Amino acid sequence: KAGVTQTPRYLIKTRGQQVTLSCSPISGHRSVSWYQQTPGQGLQFLFEYFSETQRNKGNFPGRFSGRQFSNSRSEMNVSTLELGDSALYLCASRQGFTNTEAFFGQGTRLTVV
Amino acid sequence: TQLLEQSPQFLSIQEGENLTVYCNSSSVFSSLQWYRQEPGEGPVLLVTVVTGGEVKKLKRLTFQFGDARKDSSLHITAAQTGDTGLYLCAGDNSGGSNYKLTFGKGTLLTVNP
Repeated sequence: KAGVTQTPRYLIKTRGQQVTLSCSPISGHRSVSWYQQTPGQGLQFLFEYFSETQRNKGNFPGRFSGRQFSNSRSEMNVSTLELGDSALYLCASRQGFTNTEAFFGQGTRLTVV
Repeated sequence: TQLLEQSPQFLSIQEGENLTVYCNSSSVFSSLQWYRQEPGEGPVLLVTVVTGGEVKKLKRLTFQFGDARKDSSLHITAAQTGDTGLYLCAGDNSGGSNYKLTFGKGTLLTVNP
C-alpha cells in the first residue's frame, strides 16, 4: 500500500508570491490534515479535511487555505508569501472519523526569499 | 490552549545506554501517539496509547500512558545509533470530530557509536 505522497518536495518562492502544495493520502483514507513545522514552533496544526469538507482549522491567517477533492487528494495554498512562511509543510492522512492515528508524508520544504 | 511539554529537549548518549523521554500536559487526552522523525522526512508513527496506565512495548522501546491520561513516557533500552532522531509526542482528544493532533516540540536524540 502506497504511503502519503506530497509534491513537490522542495520549493523556493519570493515574498509576495503564492504557492500550492499537493497531498495524496493513503488509498482508502478520507481525512487529510496539514501541519507546519518550524524549528521554533514545532508542528502546528493548519487544518483538516474530511470528505471534501474542512472540519477543523488552526490559528493561522486567512492567507493559508486548502481544499480536498472527491478522490481525497488535498491541496494547500498560501498567498502573499512572507519570509516567516518558510517551513516544512506536512500532510497526514487517517482512515476514518474514529481513527486518530495519523500517517505523514515526507513533507514539502518551502523556502521564501 | 492544550500544550504538550516534552523533556529533555536534547539528549546525547552513547550506544548501549538507556534513556527516558517525557511528555506532560495539564490536559487530558483520549489518545496519545509517539512519532520519530529523521531529518528532511515526515514523522513516522511508533505507537498509540489509549487507556490510562497502558504500557506498550516495541522491541527495545517501552511506552507508558499515565493513569490520568495527561502524560506519557518513552523508555529506550540499550540505545543504538539507528535510534537517533526527533521523538515527538502528540495528543488528540477530539474523539474523531474536530480532529487535530497537538504536538510537543520534541526530544532530539543523538546516539553516538
